[in-house]
Amino acid sequence: AQSVTQLDSQVPVFEEAPVELRCNYSSSVSVYLFWYVQYPNQGLQLLLKYLSGSTLVKGINGFEAEFNKSQTSFHLRKPSVHISDTAEYFCAVSEPSGTYKYIFGTGTRLKVLA
Amino acid sequence: DADVTQTPRNRITKTGKRIMLECSQTKGHDRMYWYRQDPGLGLRLIYYSFDVKDINKGEISDGYSVSRQAQAKFSLSLESAIPNQTALYFCATSDPGTGPGYTFGSGTRLTVV
Repeated sequence: AQSVTQLDSQVPVFEEAPVELRCNYSSSVSVYLFWYVQYPNQGLQLLLKYLSGSTLVKGINGFEAEFNKSQTSFHLRKPSVHISDTAEYFCAVSEPSGTYKYIFGTGTRLKVLA
Repeated sequence: DADVTQTPRNRITKTGKRIMLECSQTKGHDRMYWYRQDPGLGLRLIYYSFDVKDINKGEISDGYSVSRQAQAKFSLSLESAIPNQTALYFCATSDPGTGPGYTFGSGTRLTVV
């Protein structure tokens, strides 16, 4: 069975500092990997996804993530955060079986401080 | 208008009442999903549907039922609401033609008292 672990429930960081949000997964088969962002009182918005190919994936709003198969990780990074990046971030995994059912992590709340 | 619309946005209901949450989409996607979000637990899949005649249980379907009235409409019902069904509920759609990746609605915050 698949599972997703987001190790940090909350990450405070100062504005313009870099940030890394960690995501590890377990699966016996190949997977698709996703990062979603949820702003207050809104639904989830896709930041980026890894399906195949290059292990470095660039997304919206200056975020990027690197797929590391040996470490079963898909960490999200941004070199310089803004106050507007304050949100909750969810990592998710899906089997490439066509059902597109996701297993979500428990989320990481990013708080950007002035 | 939003691609995926959920109604109501907020609802307070009493234990034992039947309640329906509605989802409609303009994306033209065949696949629709219902998730619930609880603090510290992330999102968990309740039901999903690949077309009007194809409905499947997710990991936490007990206490819930769904209806796919049309390609664009997918409703979630709580037959007899209980307090531990208090949560944020999301509808999502996907299209295999465009690859994996959901479009989410804005959510329905349900409180059962």
